[in-house]
Amino acid sequence: KNEVEQSPQNLTAQEGEFITINCSYSVGISALHWLQQHPGGGIVSLFMLSSGKKKHGRLIATINIQEKHSSLHITASHPRDSAVYICAAGLNDMRFGAGTRLTVKP
Amino acid sequence: GAVVSQHPSRVICKSGTSVKIECRSLDFQATTMFWYRQFPKQSLMLMATSNEGSKATYEQGVEKDKFLINHASLTLSTLTVTSAHPEDSSFYICSATRTSGGAYEQFFGPGTRLTVL
Repeated sequence: KNEVEQSPQNLTAQEGEFITINCSYSVGISALHWLQQHPGGGIVSLFMLSSGKKKHGRLIATINIQEKHSSLHITASHPRDSAVYICAAGLNDMRFGAGTRLTVKP
Repeated sequence: GAVVSQHPSRVICKSGTSVKIECRSLDFQATTMFWYRQFPKQSLMLMATSNEGSKATYEQGVEKDKFLINHASLTLSTLTVTSAHPEDSSFYICSATRTSGGAYEQFFGPGTRLTVL
C-alpha cells in the first residue's frame, strides 16, 4: 500500500464546476504539500499545510491531521486549471501521491 | 517570487556517458536542495537530499556512486548521472528550500528530461 493515496486518478469537469481532490496518508508528517504539474513537467507548489485550511484565489486546501486526510478544492474551475495535482506528505522526506489528472473542458 | 532554475532542460546522450544537471536558486540561499526522479506516468520519487558543504543523503535504492551530488554553494547543487544507461532516462527535478522568519518554503525547478540512447 502506498504511503500517500490520491483520488480520483483522473477527473474531467466542465468549466465552472467545483472540484475536489482527496489525499490520504499513512505516515506521520509535519506538513503536507499540494503541487501542480503542467504538461511540460514544471511543478508549482500550491500549498503547504500543517493544520486547518488555506486559501489562495480559487484554490482551497484543508487538512485533518487526526484522520490523516487532506483535500484540494478548486472553485469555478477553468480550462487553465487542467494539470496533474500531486499530494506530497512530509517536509524533508516528501512522499508523493500518484497524482490526479484534471481536465477542465470549456 | 523565488525561482529555481535547472540546466539543461533537455539532454540526449549516448549510453556510457556522464551527464551533469545543475540546479540553482536564483534569488535566495537554499538551506537544502532535493533531487527527484519521475518516470513516465509515475509520480515523483525523492532520490537524495543535498545540504551545502556536506555529503548528500540518498534514499534507499538510489546508488550514490551512480548519481553524484555536489552542493558547492548555497545556490547551486549538481547531479551527475555517471555512465548513463537507457534505464536512467527520466525527468529529473530539483527543489530548494528557504527558511525565513520561521517560515519554510520549497520551490521546484522546471525539470531536466534525460534521454539515454
